[in-house]
Amino acid sequence: AQSVSQHNHHVILSEAASLELGCNYSYGGTVNLFWYVQYPGQHLQLLLKYFSGDPLVKGIKGFEAEFIKSKFSFNLRKPSVQWSDTAEYFCAASWGKLQFGAGTQVVVTP
Amino acid sequence: DAMVIQNPRYQVTQFGKPVTLSCSQTLNHNVMYWYQQKSSQAPKLLFHYYDKDFNNEADTPDNFQSRRPNTSFCFLDIRSPGLGDAAMYLCATSRDLPGASSGANVLTFGAGSRLTVL
Repeated sequence: AQSVSQHNHHVILSEAASLELGCNYSYGGTVNLFWYVQYPGQHLQLLLKYFSGDPLVKGIKGFEAEFIKSKFSFNLRKPSVQWSDTAEYFCAASWGKLQFGAGTQVVVTP
Repeated sequence: DAMVIQNPRYQVTQFGKPVTLSCSQTLNHNVMYWYQQKSSQAPKLLFHYYDKDFNNEADTPDNFQSRRPNTSFCFLDIRSPGLGDAAMYLCATSRDLPGASSGANVLTFGAGSRLTVL
């Protein structure tokens, strides 16, 4: 069955540190990929998406993600995090329906 | 400017007492979804409507029903809530179904309705 897996459940890092969150999906066909973010007390919102073309996609708030087809991966990165990046991050893939990973709770300490 | 509005934001009910959660959208999107999200878990799709066509996920319990009386509104009915149904319920919309091209399948989420079952 198709699935989306996120490598870390919790990440704690200091401001200005670099962030990379891993995401892998299991589906051999055409797939659209997304990262959603949920800030404390707020709704899920789209960070970035990949449909086709340049495998390096840039999203809001300085985030980017790289689609590596051979590795079935879509990792999220940010070179220098801020305290306001504290949130839960969900990778998602759609292949007929949108399926989410379990999420990664990111805490950025001042 | 809220585009997907869920009510109520917080709902407390008793074991077995029916509850209805509502979702409205101003985006005129064709597709409306209901997801269940339990603590520290991925949102789980319960069902979706494409226009008036209802699509139930195979593992969604019969206890969960949905109605979409018009394009703008969609309701989630939980007929007999159990303790295990306590969760955040997320409504989302998209212009087209997942699998569609370009941005038509990007989901816009509401703020959620948190259900507590006593």
